[in-house]
This record gives sequence, structure tokens and C-alpha cells, in this order.
Amino acid sequence: DGGITQSPKYLFRKEGQNVTLSCEQNLNHDAMYWYRQDPGQGLRLIYYSQIVNDFQKGDIAEGYSVSREKKESFPLTVTSAQKNPTAFYLCASATLPAVGNTIYFGEGSWLTVV
Amino acid sequence: AQKVTQAQTEISVVEKEDVTLDCVYETRDTTYYLFWYKQPPSGELVFLIRRNSFDEQNEISGRYSWNFQKSTSSFNFTITASQVVDSAVYFCALSEARSNSNSGYALNFGKGTSLLVTP
Repeated sequence: DGGITQSPKYLFRKEGQNVTLSCEQNLNHDAMYWYRQDPGQGLRLIYYSQIVNDFQKGDIAEGYSVSREKKESFPLTVTSAQKNPTAFYLCASATLPAVGNTIYFGEGSWLTVV
Repeated sequence: AQKVTQAQTEISVVEKEDVTLDCVYETRDTTYYLFWYKQPPSGELVFLIRRNSFDEQNEISGRYSWNFQKSTSSFNFTITASQVVDSAVYFCALSEARSNSNSGYALNFGKGTSLLVTP
């Protein structure tokens, strides 16, 4: 089936550790995005990428890093510099040009700092 | 500034009632796109509808309907004869052709409206 796969679904992190959230899509989409969702809040953009080996910061990129070595993969690393990482993380993708195109989402990953 | 406002944080209705979810947006672009997504308890955002700024025709899809009014910058969503399966968080989102060009045309989301439909 075509879609966006995020893993793991649930992740617990100790303070001071880096963790990486996986995002893979088989929709042949060029654009990929990472959003963060906090309880009762909308989605906020962390990073986006429109082409392999290129990515840009979104509104809340501090404490996060990404890579785009393959078209289908856009992993997100939550570093120890992220002060409040507990949240729900959503990966998304879209065709290019992305203006007005529907953005499709994965099932999300819950990250909890313990 | 918040570009998309969903003033209703939570709505609770009894099954079979009609319910309208409000969405007000703000933009200076002449070309923009509006979206509605549904987020069930599982967490995945499910796409419901996309509307561009040049098409003010209302749309109906089964029990769902959308009312787009540029004069009031609103894009409201109505569920007719609500069902328990409609319980979810609903997000309205905006994509601006010019203003979003420096963010990969990522969507600007409202904070969502949590809808609870009880039997």
C-alpha cells in the first residue's frame, strides 16, 4: 500500500539523549515535512525538504536536525538541545510544486522524555 | 500572528445532531488554499477537503459540507446527522501561494476543534 510510515509509534527518551524518528514514504513525493503537535495545539513546522540533500528550517527547528539522503526518507533527530521534546511528531509529504497540493500525513510518533 | 483561528476548542453533541465547526483565516495573498483535516484518536491526520481562493462554491460530500466565504474570511465545516465515528479533532489549515513560498508551502494550521459525539 502507498503511504507514509513513521516509526516507532511510541518512544521514550532519557534526558540528555538524542533520538531519531523514522519517516519513509512510497508515494514518490518530492516534498517532505516534519510537524510537532502539543496537546490542544495546532501543528507547528519543524523542518521541510523539497529535494534530496536539501532541507530548510521551519518555525521551531531549534534542537532538531534532519537529513534527506534519499527521496523516500526524511528522518528527524531530536537532540538533547531540545528543551521540551515531549510531543507528538507527524511526518508529511506532497508532490511538487507543493503550492496548493494536498499534504499527506503519517500516523505519527509519540515521544516522551523520562 | 495566528493565521488560522478555530475559536471552538471543544464541541459536544448528541448523535444525529448537526454541528458546524468554524474556521477564520487571515491572508494578504490573492491565491491561497484552505484545507480541513480530521485527526481521530489514532493520531493520523486524514485529509477531508481542499479549496482554492478562486472557488467559492460550497461543497457537499455525504454528511459533510463546507461553506467558503471570502467576504468574511471563513471556511466552515458542517457535519449533518453526526455519528459517534465523527468524534475527532478537526483542523483547518491555510497554504498561501506567495507567503508560504519560503516554507515549502507547508500548511499553517489552526489549533483544532475537538468534537465529541455521544450516543
